[in-house]
Amino acid sequence: DQQVKQNSPSLSVQEGRISILNCDYTNSMFDYFLWYKKYPAEGPTFLISISSIKDKNEDGRFTVFLNKSAKHLSLHIVPSQPGDSAVYFCAASAGGGSNYKLTFGKGTLLTVNP
Amino acid sequence: ETGVTQSPTHLIKTRGQQVTLRCSSQSGHNTVSWYQQALGQGPQFIFQYYREEENGRGNFPPRFSGLQFPNYSSELNVNALELDDSALYLCASSSTGTGEKLFFGSGTQLSVL
Repeated sequence: DQQVKQNSPSLSVQEGRISILNCDYTNSMFDYFLWYKKYPAEGPTFLISISSIKDKNEDGRFTVFLNKSAKHLSLHIVPSQPGDSAVYFCAASAGGGSNYKLTFGKGTLLTVNP
Repeated sequence: ETGVTQSPTHLIKTRGQQVTLRCSSQSGHNTVSWYQQALGQGPQFIFQYYREEENGRGNFPPRFSGLQFPNYSSELNVNALELDDSALYLCASSSTGTGEKLFFGSGTQLSVL
């Protein structure tokens, strides 16, 4: 039972264009969402997050949008750069005090072509 | 500031054996979580330790156990290894100040033959 779903295993975009990575969730208790980026042979690195009380959070080239009614979030990268090529994981948390359990999707491999 | 370090980086074991994986938390972090990432999957929560006590556990059998030490470093122990235990094991540290923003190590790649 996948509570966090990333339905696109891979995405290829041209340098300078927008990359849009999508994520759907089923658990209504999730109240905090994160995106992690992972390069080969490295651990996931935190990229950006959003609380369920917001619908948008922006950090430089990265923007995350949250649509609670649709249980959907997306990560926009503008402009995309070759160094952005990595696996992107969507993750969600149901809060719960100091228990920082994250539920991850399967990831989307982003390839940015020069 | 030292990041999260894990050892060893790679390990090969045979079915039925026991394994211990180690993790040093990032400086200032008092919470350690362990995740299992199977091939083609996202990381899956095993358990979390806070102040040397287990503080949350995922859907993993009791043969997966852990420890957290006073210096906040941690161990993951797996007994009676099975072929399906082959995966990348990720350790992540955090603190009250970082919340859900976990800081991951590079992982230990475990192969069970």
